[in-house]
Amino acid sequence: EIVLTQSPATLSLSPGERATLSCGASQTVSSSYLAWYQQKPGLAPRLLVYGASSRATGIPDRFSGSGSGTDFTLTISRLEPEDFAVYYCQQYAGSPWTFGQGSKVEIK
Amino acid sequence: QVQLQESGPGLVKPSQTLSLTCTVSSGSISGGAYYWNWIRQNPGKGLEWIGYIYYSGSTYYNPSLETRVAISIDTSKNQFSLRLSSVTAADTAVYYCARGPTRYYYDSWGQGTLVTVSS
Repeated sequence: EIVLTQSPATLSLSPGERATLSCGASQTVSSSYLAWYQQKPGLAPRLLVYGASSRATGIPDRFSGSGSGTDFTLTISRLEPEDFAVYYCQQYAGSPWTFGQGSKVEIK
Repeated sequence: QVQLQESGPGLVKPSQTLSLTCTVSSGSISGGAYYWNWIRQNPGKGLEWIGYIYYSGSTYYNPSLETRVAISIDTSKNQFSLRLSSVTAADTAVYYCARGPTRYYYDSWGQGTLVTVSS
């Protein structure tokens, strides 16, 4: 099973600042089979990025994904008030598909 | 825009079988090459993929759960269902149904339903 480790656990930033979230894999995630989700309290996760760097339908371009191999990054270029949430990475290179433990972006 | 809604008991006794149904609306469950998934979330283990059923009826389960899991589909009702047998407290979680445009990730989710395993 591929284990995903996200860092930092919590990121305290102000609106307008840049957020950089990391996701490290215990094995190579081939073909960049990695997705990112956003989850707000009491709601289901929302798909942001798949294939490591492809934005899902309707996702603003301030969200961007990058990386390959074992190191992946989700960047939010300028935080909007609605972006404060928990973010999860998910790999689908090896079964079972697994999720990271999440990174929380909170208002400073 | 497709909508998914989970339904089922919120409380299940240990050793019994957890049964949930996901009703799909604003779209046909068999009208596209989608994968219909169950995913759960609990504070201890985070998000865990349980398994999927393809619109054709083929299934694939998380190996850690496959001896206890069954997912079925009823195209006439536009629903798919989860059965998880021999539950323990470790199966207490919010259970989500979700649609996948591929077998790998999920672009539409239900709101989730909390299932507690307790006597």
